Amino acid sequence: GQQVMQIPQYQHVQEGEDFTTYCNSSTTLSNIQWYKQRPGGHPVFLIQLVKSGEVKKQKRLTFQFGEAKKNSSLHITATQTTDVGTYFCAGFGGFKTIFGAGTRLFVKA
Amino acid sequence: DGGITQSPKYLFRKEGQNVTLSCEQNLNHDAMYWYRQDPGQGLRLIYYSQIVNDFQKGDIAEGYSVSREKKESFPLTVTSAQKNPTAFYLCASSIDRWQAPLDGYTFGSGTRLTVV
Repeated sequence: GQQVMQIPQYQHVQEGEDFTTYCNSSTTLSNIQWYKQRPGGHPVFLIQLVKSGEVKKQKRLTFQFGEAKKNSSLHITATQTTDVGTYFCAGFGGFKTIFGAGTRLFVKA
Repeated sequence: DGGITQSPKYLFRKEGQNVTLSCEQNLNHDAMYWYRQDPGQGLRLIYYSQIVNDFQKGDIAEGYSVSREKKESFPLTVTSAQKNPTAFYLCASSIDRWQAPLDGYTFGSGTRLTVV
């Protein structure tokens, strides 16, 4: 069945370092969404990508959707302690949303 | 402010006991969902509902039941048939099921269920 794989599972960075998480789908997606979940919290919507090759930025966060609409990435430049949490991708295809397992980001001050 | 309210925040269940998790939304969304979250895993869909008095099984429905008697409410019952119910349960909503919502799924703050 449809799967969305997300890597890495964990990432430890020093404050100021960059961070990237990747999502790969087994099937072509209509769109992909990204969410952030703070420790002890619930997922909060960050952004949606729809077009092939699309790139969107939110301050220090850069989101990309692959040309084949099967992969996506989230890159954080110069991480801050407020970036800690788990970042999930959610791929939508066939009227169904599949969430990746998430990448948990730890930031050391 | 519109949103989703889940209660209780923490719930303890004894072996063999049924428990019900509450989910209420005032967003006027047609679609509502229940997800289960376990450490190191993505969100797994338990049940979803597209409209009042209708609901469908998700990927891991065994041991769970739901009802949708009102548009605003979508309670989840964890039955004694669910052998490993300890998890974080998230309720979510969207305008409808047939397209990914432009502003994302709205999640409640979750219920953490523990079997004692």
